[in-house]
Amino acid sequence: GENVEQHPSTLSVQEGDSAVIKCTYSDSASNYFPWYKQELGKRPQLIIDIRSNVGEKKDQRIAVTLNKTAKHFSLHITETQPEDSAVYFCAASIKDKIIFGKGTRLHILP
Amino acid sequence: KAGVTQTPRYLIKTRGQQVTLSCSPISGHRSVSWYQQTPGQGLQFLFEYFSETQRNKGNFPGRFSGRQFSNSRSEMNVSTLELGDSALYLCASSPIQGARTEAFFGQGTRLTVV
Repeated sequence: GENVEQHPSTLSVQEGDSAVIKCTYSDSASNYFPWYKQELGKRPQLIIDIRSNVGEKKDQRIAVTLNKTAKHFSLHITETQPEDSAVYFCAASIKDKIIFGKGTRLHILP
Repeated sequence: KAGVTQTPRYLIKTRGQQVTLSCSPISGHRSVSWYQQTPGQGLQFLFEYFSETQRNKGNFPGRFSGRQFSNSRSEMNVSTLELGDSALYLCASSPIQGARTEAFFGQGTRLTVV
């Protein structure tokens, strides 16, 4: 089927610690994996994306890894800050559609 | 460049009524996708339009329909509204068709069905 599973649904981390969000997808033909951040009351915005010909991509404190064999991909946020508090959505291209996971609410604790 | 614009921002409708939502994409973007966002269900894909043609469709009943005009503006229509249709409806535009690049989201239309 067309499915993207995302875990955990809620994550609380101490400010300065790292956060990891994991996703799995169902279609081995998927080749594009974006991550979106949605702050409270705002629109989702792309924070990083990765294509299937790359295993890892980094942008400052954010990194994404992709394991095509296992159909897993993960978002890593290091040195978390209060402004990282938001809902994060992973997504995968499945049959020309972007299918989203159900989201992870990330809380950064002071 | 102006972003994606959705109108109206808020709507309250009664069960059984119909509603039309509008989305104006970023200038030059020809793909418009629609999503339903509800707590706990995330963003669920409704459909994608490109060059005035529906290119992809999600698993929603036929009460949900859409169209795209020659200027790439898109409308979404929901007929015979049900309480469960209450949600935030988001549209997103992209320069190309298919799920291959960044999608730029609008602020959404919050629909409440009473």
